Amino acid sequence: DAGVIQSPRHEVTEMGQEVTLRCKPISGHDYLFWYRQTMMRGLELLIYFNNNVPIDDSGMPEDRFSAKMPNASFSTLKIQPSEPRDSAVYFCASSSRDRGDEKLFFGSGTQLSVL
Amino acid sequence: GDSVTQMEGPVTLSEEAFLTINCTYTATGYPSLFWYVQYPGEGLQLLLKATKADDKGSNKGFEATYRKETTSFHLEKGSVQVSDSAVYFCALSRYGGSQGNLIFGKGTKLSVKP
Repeated sequence: DAGVIQSPRHEVTEMGQEVTLRCKPISGHDYLFWYRQTMMRGLELLIYFNNNVPIDDSGMPEDRFSAKMPNASFSTLKIQPSEPRDSAVYFCASSSRDRGDEKLFFGSGTQLSVL
Repeated sequence: GDSVTQMEGPVTLSEEAFLTINCTYTATGYPSLFWYVQYPGEGLQLLLKATKADDKGSNKGFEATYRKETTSFHLEKGSVQVSDSAVYFCALSRYGGSQGNLIFGKGTKLSVKP
């Protein structure tokens, strides 16, 4: 299995631009999570899905952030318009409760810089 | 609300030194506790976990014991290697068993010198 795949690895954009981060979870996993990592706030859960349905988006910072999961193998996190304070590493993770010992698998992250 | 506090880093040790990274938590109910490790340029990986009081999680020479009385889950290793250099995160589950609903500590960077 290729693991959780995120793209792009690095994204540099200018303030006001739209940014789309992409994630392909591990095949067969029914939970998908988006986390944000910053020096100041550490790791924060933004939103998670179960069977493609958003379950808890209470961590999404504001309306500029949106996430979708149109099918079991793809999710996007969109920021529109982007701001410098959105600069962070964004991680996608997936897991499955049906495989006994539940374990969270993280992607390598997307390093976002908003200038 | 629930929270995790872990010791500030960075921690710098010589190879074969003893490692302790402190972690304490605040939570309602009986959370599961985890240690994750993040190597440079990579995502987090589960290192070990404990699901109830007095459980000891262990992996790759690392150990941590779930201490309900002190609300702690300190990470230890008897002899660190250069390859252990990474950032270590303590975490608790917010909703029972689901690992995704995790609250993480800020992370502790460990550097091991040869």
